[in-house]
Amino acid sequence: SYELTQPPSVSVSPGQTARITCSGDTLPKQYVCWYQQKPGQAPVVVMDKDTERPSGIPERFSGSSSGRTVTLTISGVQPEDEAEYYCQSSDSGGRYPVFGGGTKLSVL
Amino acid sequence: QITLKESGPTLVKPTQTLTLTCTFSGFSLTTSELGVGWVRQAPGKALEWLALIHWNDDKRYNPSLKTRLTITQDTSKNQVVLTMADMDPVDTATYYCVHSLRELQLRSGFFYYNMGVWGKGTTVTVSS
Repeated sequence: SYELTQPPSVSVSPGQTARITCSGDTLPKQYVCWYQQKPGQAPVVVMDKDTERPSGIPERFSGSSSGRTVTLTISGVQPEDEAEYYCQSSDSGGRYPVFGGGTKLSVL
Repeated sequence: QITLKESGPTLVKPTQTLTLTCTFSGFSLTTSELGVGWVRQAPGKALEWLALIHWNDDKRYNPSLKTRLTITQDTSKNQVVLTMADMDPVDTATYYCVHSLRELQLRSGFFYYNMGVWGKGTTVTVSS
């Protein structure tokens, strides 16, 4: 089955920049959607189609894509950004959604 | 405003069939490229997509669970129903209903899925 690979954890201090990566063989030709999930809550989209920030999402969230890797960048991390982040794309045939394994962002 | 709400049993026994209902509002499932689906999350685990049903009754299933899943829609009631057969304790999870917008990516010919709105989720425990 197709897989999207994320680092299990990323740790940063408040005000620093956090970069969370998502890698997959078909990402050069497929978009990625990023979700933020805080404990006890449903996920929320924080980045659409690699680089499109939905309305209501702070400007410190940005996205980029390079080859097999898509990156969610949070500049000037705030304590409230501590959460689990999931990338999601489509399978290698583009037939159904696939989630990455998630990255726990810790704000120390 | 788009809302989705999951309903169903909180406890099922092993080997039983789980039936979950998603009741939604704020959109019509007859709108082109819209879909409603299900995602689950076992305690402490990652999100796992289960199934999607689209405006044209196109149904997609997670291949690893396909033989156990059935998704249907009742457009008159604005409801989508997911059944999962042969439940096991490993199926204990929070089950989320999601609103999905599907878009054909011209550069690849693949579909892109944006699951932009989620229900609050319903917790299902499988235990005898």
